[in-house]
Amino acid sequence: EPEVTQTPSHQVTQMGQEVILRCVPISNHLYFYWYRQILGQKVEFLVSFYNNEISEKSEIFDDQFSVERPDGSNFTLKIRSTKLEDSAMYFCASSNRDRADSPLHFGNGTRLTVT
Amino acid sequence: AQKITQTQPGMFVQEKEAVTLDCTYDTSDQSYGLFWYKQPSSGEMIFLIYQGSYDEQNATEGRYSLNFQKARKSANLVISASQLGDSAMYFCAMRHSGAGSYQLTFGKGTKLSVIP
Repeated sequence: EPEVTQTPSHQVTQMGQEVILRCVPISNHLYFYWYRQILGQKVEFLVSFYNNEISEKSEIFDDQFSVERPDGSNFTLKIRSTKLEDSAMYFCASSNRDRADSPLHFGNGTRLTVT
Repeated sequence: AQKITQTQPGMFVQEKEAVTLDCTYDTSDQSYGLFWYKQPSSGEMIFLIYQGSYDEQNATEGRYSLNFQKARKSANLVISASQLGDSAMYFCAMRHSGAGSYQLTFGKGTKLSVIP
């Protein structure tokens, strides 16, 4: 079964450093998302992306965050200058339709630790 | 605002027994989707089952079924014949219209522990 893949599985970085989290969505999916889950808390929406543009972003997704689809397969999340509170599990997801009845398929996540 | 409530932070179930995980939701949308995801200790998020707001029949997927009561705005997950591998966090989520896309809003989750 096709799946969303994320790399790396774990990233440790120092505060103030830039990080790039990488994702390869399911190949025939057109809609891409990033979510994050701070340890012990609920999963929160960050951003949705379609047709090389951001469709929607949450309050969490401030100027320190950016997303890009640099080629036909990768979808990246960049955090320009990491803060301690950015430590979380980051999930990439993709969907073949932007509709209420279409599930999001998630990757295994990248655990980001900012020290 | 859309909201998902899971009132059971943790549940225990005996192996081979059935268990119900509760989920209530709040939305003013007419069209929405309800989903359950499983998150094992390894961290990945696994899609289990879906129920559409217009579906009249409850969804089933193997040992998983969704008890959908639209008037009560509840979408409880029923796991039959629990197995040790079912021990995990379970998240109820609703896909609904947002400002620019259909977002997925999650509940806080229920940690299920299956006892041998």
